[in-house]
Amino acid sequence: DTAVSQTPKYLVTQMGNDKSIKCEQNLGHDTMYWYKQDSKKFLKIMFSYNNKELIINETVPNRFSPKSPDKAHLNLHINSLELGDSAVYFCASSPSTSEPSYNEQFFGPGTRLTVL
Amino acid sequence: AQSVAQPEDQVNVAEGNPLTVKCTYSVSGNPYLFWYVQYPNRGLQFLLKYITGDNLVKGSYGFEAEFNKSQTSFHLKKPSALVSDSALYFCAVPGYSTLTFGKGTMLLVSP
Repeated sequence: DTAVSQTPKYLVTQMGNDKSIKCEQNLGHDTMYWYKQDSKKFLKIMFSYNNKELIINETVPNRFSPKSPDKAHLNLHINSLELGDSAVYFCASSPSTSEPSYNEQFFGPGTRLTVL
Repeated sequence: AQSVAQPEDQVNVAEGNPLTVKCTYSVSGNPYLFWYVQYPNRGLQFLLKYITGDNLVKGSYGFEAEFNKSQTSFHLKKPSALVSDSALYFCAVPGYSTLTFGKGTMLLVSP
């Protein structure tokens, strides 16, 4: 199936640990994103990449480091996890970036991160 | 900065009745506007978008949205609600390589 996929779906871990979330899209899109959805369901952009290059980094602690090994993958690595990092993280992709973008984004199913 | 506002946290409607989920925007220049839906424990799904042209935009699942420039609104509508439409709805405005979302409106359709 053509889609945006994320692994794992659920991630439960202790404070201070390091974890990664993987994202892959097989839609042939140039641009990929990470969003964070907090407990109040508010969605906020974290990063966007276009053709493996970082475009947007929205005031995210440097404990969060995205990595794009190729155009189809955008992984999120989080160091020294904190309680406040508990959220649902969504990966998304879109065909291209423009200013502003009129292309809809395609979202993955989300990764629910719980930090204990 | 581009922004959208969703004034209602929740909208309740009976099945078969028309529904409206409200969104207002603050955008410099010509706006592009989107609606997305999030079903429980799922990712967001694109419903429809306004780029230019007709003020009434038709989208997925029988939804439509009316762009009103004078009222800076882009309300989501459906003539006859289904219980399966119950979900969280987001209005959004694009920026450069990003989407800025409203806070979301929970739509509850009762049988």
